[in-house]
Amino acid sequence: GENVEQHPSTLSVQEGDSAVIKCTYSDSASNYFPWYKQELGKRPQLIIDIRSNVGEKKDQRIAVTLNKTAKHFSLHITETQPEDSAVYFCAAGGNGNQFYFGTGTSLTVIP
Amino acid sequence: NAGVMQNPRHLVRRRGQEARLRCSPMKGHSHVYWYRQLPEEGLKFMVYLQKENIIDESGMPKERFSAEFPKEGPSILRIQQVVRGDSAAYFCASSSANRGYEQYFGPGTRLTVT
Repeated sequence: GENVEQHPSTLSVQEGDSAVIKCTYSDSASNYFPWYKQELGKRPQLIIDIRSNVGEKKDQRIAVTLNKTAKHFSLHITETQPEDSAVYFCAAGGNGNQFYFGTGTSLTVIP
Repeated sequence: NAGVMQNPRHLVRRRGQEARLRCSPMKGHSHVYWYRQLPEEGLKFMVYLQKENIIDESGMPKERFSAEFPKEGPSILRIQQVVRGDSAAYFCASSSANRGYEQYFGPGTRLTVT
């Protein structure tokens, strides 16, 4: 089955700096890679996703890159703000619609 | 659009009791997924259902856990004879048939076993 690893587990950045979270996956059949943001006590919310036929996708301050050959994908948040503080999860999915999640990165943006 | 609904939001059960967790998918969604999240851990897939069918239950413990998604009504995750280790947040997510990749999560049910 799929195995998704996520790093780092915790990340602190100054407000305005960039944050990068990286994930690797093992199953070459995975072709869909969403990122979720989960605030304390809340539900995971889809913030951006990328499919395997695309190398990069951007939505305002958030971007995701995918390297299928190396089986890794990354989340980039620029100009971070305190409200970006949350736990971020990457996931890999494929034909079975099932997602395999990383273990999460707790991001703290220091004002 | 009410989004994915789950109830109850909090559930306390004594060891040995049964827990029933309900999930109503978003309007127009026919696929339901259940995940378990232990404190400060990631989301672990449990089961994937479509109406009246279990598609993939590879993440579900073989004993005491069952799930259903009837033709009418919400999806139900049932945990029999709960133990302390079952204490966790249980999230369901739903997706539509033609956009199956995008899963939207409910608010979760926080189960506490005393």
